[in-house]
Amino acid sequence: KNQVEQSPQSLIILEGKNCTLQCNYTVSPFSNLRWYKQDTGRGPVSLTIMTFSENTKSNGRYTATLDADTKQSSLHITASQLSDSASYICVVTSPNAGNMLTFGGGTRLMVKP
Amino acid sequence: EAGVTQSPTHLIKTRGQQATLRCSPISGHTSVYWYQQALGLGLQFLLWYDEGEERNRGNFPPRFSGRQFPNYSSELNVNALELEDSALYLCASSPQGSYNSPLHFGNGTRLTVT
Repeated sequence: KNQVEQSPQSLIILEGKNCTLQCNYTVSPFSNLRWYKQDTGRGPVSLTIMTFSENTKSNGRYTATLDADTKQSSLHITASQLSDSASYICVVTSPNAGNMLTFGGGTRLMVKP
Repeated sequence: EAGVTQSPTHLIKTRGQQATLRCSPISGHTSVYWYQQALGLGLQFLLWYDEGEERNRGNFPPRFSGRQFPNYSSELNVNALELEDSALYLCASSPQGSYNSPLHFGNGTRLTVT
């Protein structure tokens, strides 16, 4: 069964600190891996998209990495801000069944002052 | 560019009733996706429409149905509502065949079944 597992489930850090969120997947084959940020009560917003040939991609203070061999990805947040408090969702696209997306359960990040 | 818009933002229904949720995609996007997000849980795929046709559906009972109109807007219908249907229903759109482009999500309809 295609799965996307994220860890930790929740994380609390102090403003200004860095953090790294993990994503392990069993989806195979896959077209791309995406990271989304979802504020409470809002729709997810795309942060990065990486194809299997890319191993890193940045979007401001967000840097995603991908190891297609070990089927692992990480999202690193640098110099966290209060506005980074949100859920971060890892999503893997498979070319099977029409490039359907498999969503991870998300990591709930809280940044405290 | 206007984003994906969903209506209503909140909807309260009683068990057994029907609910209709609406979604307008970004201009030029032909694919519309529907997802259910129960409180504290991840997104569960419901339906995918493209060019007016249903392309795929998730593991949900037939009382979840929908359609896509010629202007690419979409409607999700939930019949015979059950308490566990209470959730945030998210719509997303993308250009046709853009497998490596991001999905653009609306802010959802919060459905509460009492």
